[in-house]
Amino acid sequence: GAVVSQHPSRVICKSGTSVKIECRSLDFQATTMFWYRQFPKQSLMLMATSNEGSKATYEQGVEKDKFLINHASLTLSTLTVTSAHPEDSSFYICSAREDPGNTEAFFGQGTRLTVV
Amino acid sequence: GEDVEQSLFLSVREGDSSVINCTYTDSSSTYLYWYKQEPGAGLQLLTYIFSNMDMKQDQRLTVLLNKKDKHLSLRIADTQTGDSAIYFCAEIHHNTDKLIFGTGTRLQVFP
Repeated sequence: GAVVSQHPSRVICKSGTSVKIECRSLDFQATTMFWYRQFPKQSLMLMATSNEGSKATYEQGVEKDKFLINHASLTLSTLTVTSAHPEDSSFYICSAREDPGNTEAFFGQGTRLTVV
Repeated sequence: GEDVEQSLFLSVREGDSSVINCTYTDSSSTYLYWYKQEPGAGLQLLTYIFSNMDMKQDQRLTVLLNKKDKHLSLRIADTQTGDSAIYFCAEIHHNTDKLIFGTGTRLQVFP
């Protein structure tokens, strides 16, 4: 299957700083990318959907100014957690889909964010 | 609503079959998926089924779909210790095209 690379896999940052997570589709062009957040022992919660070249669509309850999503190219989307706080500590996973008609979304390996 | 529900835990003996169940809410879902997540890792697509199918078999995996009851199941034959993981079902909502995940079932396989 297609490969989605997510970087970094783990990051520890201090409260108040910002962290950027990258999601790259390595062998296909991803018109749509999704960002999920997973709390310990819980399911994945969709945070936002991003389409290349346009603004991301955020799910209800997700702060746009806190979780900045940029999908500047067909192979790269970034999630920036701004002014991070300990409650932002979580496992963040991206997924990418080649086009809306595709049945399969490919997932990155996830990023474990710990805010201290 | 968008709730997709699964039982939280399943424990089976190595060599036995495992059946993981899922109920979903959107009757217009076009595709339903099963993903596997190993500790600290992303998600691996195991299999999917189109909504007009009742069953799909792929090696040790069998997916059964009951559209009337909005019930999906994943059967793993000859379960191995390497199958220990969290399994998520997911549906694509017809109108929004979003992938909505179930709560996940932790499968533990013991010798």
